Amino acid sequence: DARVTQTPRHKVTEMGQEVTMRCQPILGHNTVFWYRQTMMQGLELLAYFRNRAPLDDSGMPKDRFSAEMPDATLATLKIQPSEPRDSAVYFCASGLVLGKATYEQYFGPGTRLTVT
Amino acid sequence: GESVGLHLPTLSVQEGDNSIINCAYSNSASDYFIWYKQESGKGPQFIIDIRSNMDKRQGQRVTVLLNKTVKHLSLQIAATQPGDSAVYFCAETPDTGRRALTFGSGTRLQVQP
Repeated sequence: DARVTQTPRHKVTEMGQEVTMRCQPILGHNTVFWYRQTMMQGLELLAYFRNRAPLDDSGMPKDRFSAEMPDATLATLKIQPSEPRDSAVYFCASGLVLGKATYEQYFGPGTRLTVT
Repeated sequence: GESVGLHLPTLSVQEGDNSIINCAYSNSASDYFIWYKQESGKGPQFIIDIRSNMDKRQGQRVTVLLNKTVKHLSLQIAATQPGDSAVYFCAETPDTGRRALTFGSGTRLQVQP
């Protein structure tokens, strides 16, 4: 049963610290998405990769957030320095997109980040 | 910017009844729509999708209806069960090659036994 995995599941850190979240997409999927979910804003897209290349990161605060895919099996989202307003659940999702055909995205369990 | 929204934040139904969850979208270029179910503490889970060249699609106990004229999407759940209790999101993506999704604000479905 293929699924997206995320680590850590929970992270509590102090303001100013660096936070790194990791995601392993489903093998064979060519797109990876990072979303943030809060009660106030709901689900927001932060970054989107296809074939490991960033396609859209317009939703991500550039001064403190960075997203990378060092290889096809690992996506990372880093916050440096972290702030209390970054507290949220961060979801990674992967999917397979070929041309105009569109396939559903599979979400990981999320990383719950609390910045104090 | 353009967005996807929901009419009802909470829907309460009796077990066995049919549920209808509605969603309005504003992007007339939207090409592909998905309904997700999110249970507490979990990530969104795909339920059913529909492309803009269709107006109805059926799955197991679920039906999605798309009215492009009024930019409205609905999810119908037949014979609602307690396990259907969750937050339901509609999401859309335009036909521009950008396949990231824009999510609505969600509707909480509560199934009363």
